[in-house]
Amino acid sequence: GQNIDQPTEMTATEGAIVQINCTYQTSGFNGLFWYQQHAGEAPTFLSYNVLDGLEEKGRFSSFLSRSKGYSYLLLKELQMKDSASYLCAVWDDKIIFGKGTRLHILP
Amino acid sequence: DSGVTQTPKHLITATGQRVTLRCSPRSGDLSVYWYQQSLDQGLQFLIQYYNGEERAKGNILERFSAQQFPDLHSELNLSSLELGDSALYFCASSAGEGYNEQFFGPGTRLTVL
Repeated sequence: GQNIDQPTEMTATEGAIVQINCTYQTSGFNGLFWYQQHAGEAPTFLSYNVLDGLEEKGRFSSFLSRSKGYSYLLLKELQMKDSASYLCAVWDDKIIFGKGTRLHILP
Repeated sequence: DSGVTQTPKHLITATGQRVTLRCSPRSGDLSVYWYQQSLDQGLQFLIQYYNGEERAKGNILERFSAQQFPDLHSELNLSSLELGDSALYFCASSAGEGYNEQFFGPGTRLTVL
């Protein structure tokens, strides 16, 4: 079957670093996305990985290992505005979203 | 502002009714995607259209249908509504046919009473 797993909730401190993991099992793979979603708002695109390795974009980085069916999103220098849900999504023959990880930032 | 517009913002209706949600993609985007988001199910992909043609289908119920018009706007029709259809419905658009970066609209919150 098709499955995407990510932790339900995480808590981190302002200024720190947090890593949000995502594991997936899909019949095909054409790429993996990370989206950020603030409560009551629309998701916004963060990153897209199709090849193994680390993609860095400012304070956010995303890593992919296709052989392990594993990705993580790394957030550095956490700010209060980073409190949001982070959605991992895999493009199989259609796009499948995980249920999201709610990240709480403490001052 | 993503450039994707959705109307209406809120919709309250009764079980058994039919509603139509409307989406206008970003200028130049040819693909439109529809998603349903409820608290327990997360974001569920419903259907994708590319330049007027159905491109991919997800967990869309038979009571639901969609189309993309020549001007590229899209409508999602929900019929025989049930309480469980209450959710946030998002439309997203992207430039190409494949799943590149998607831009999400603000969503339509549907409440079925």
